[in-house]
Amino acid sequence: SAVISQKPSRDICQRGTSLTIQCQVDSQVTMMFWYRQQPGQSLTLIATANQGSEATYESGFVIDKFPISRPNLTFSTLTVSNMSPEDSSIYLCSVDPVRNNEQFFGPGTRLTVL
Amino acid sequence: AQSVAQPEDQVNVAEGNPLTVKCTYSVSGNPYLFWYVQYPNRGLQFLLKYITGDNLVKGSYGFEAEFNKSQTSFHLKKPSALVSDSALYFCAVRDATSGTYKYIFGTGTRLKVLA
Repeated sequence: SAVISQKPSRDICQRGTSLTIQCQVDSQVTMMFWYRQQPGQSLTLIATANQGSEATYESGFVIDKFPISRPNLTFSTLTVSNMSPEDSSIYLCSVDPVRNNEQFFGPGTRLTVL
Repeated sequence: AQSVAQPEDQVNVAEGNPLTVKCTYSVSGNPYLFWYVQYPNRGLQFLLKYITGDNLVKGSYGFEAEFNKSQTSFHLKKPSALVSDSALYFCAVRDATSGTYKYIFGTGTRLKVLA
């Protein structure tokens, strides 16, 4: 298993600003994922972030809006840039510590954009 | 393309009664199937998974799920529901033969256990 922490746990931001969300894992993992969960909806994968390579973005998500860093095997950041109220969501990171096994999720960051 | 369907937005059950939360999937290859639970203001917690082997999978908190290949289903079950089981449940699938580790999540089913 893996224990994952995220910072901040929640934030209220003004439109046009940016927020960087941190994800820290208690063990080294190759594969890390970032999801968005809009209010009352399911999880949508934003991107896959593997250490040592560029993040792979899903359809509808672009690097300019959601830049991701993955400097080492225990840490990643997701930035939500030039925010609008439509970006209000819960953002979750997850890891797959053993390929072909289950993903473990962080507690999420609840973002509200005014 | 992969997809997951959870046909019920909400399931209500009386405490002590058996519960079922439905999930059907579509993948072109072999499916890896998962159930997660989300409590209010919390992240997702893993409940159980089907990778291979026995079709009946047992997981955390007394939950189990049955993989049915012919019906492409993976329904979550519990023999006796507790009020504390009230939460949002997500089914997810990964295509094991696609070369991707991407999960597709269902829309979620809110379980309400009535005392």
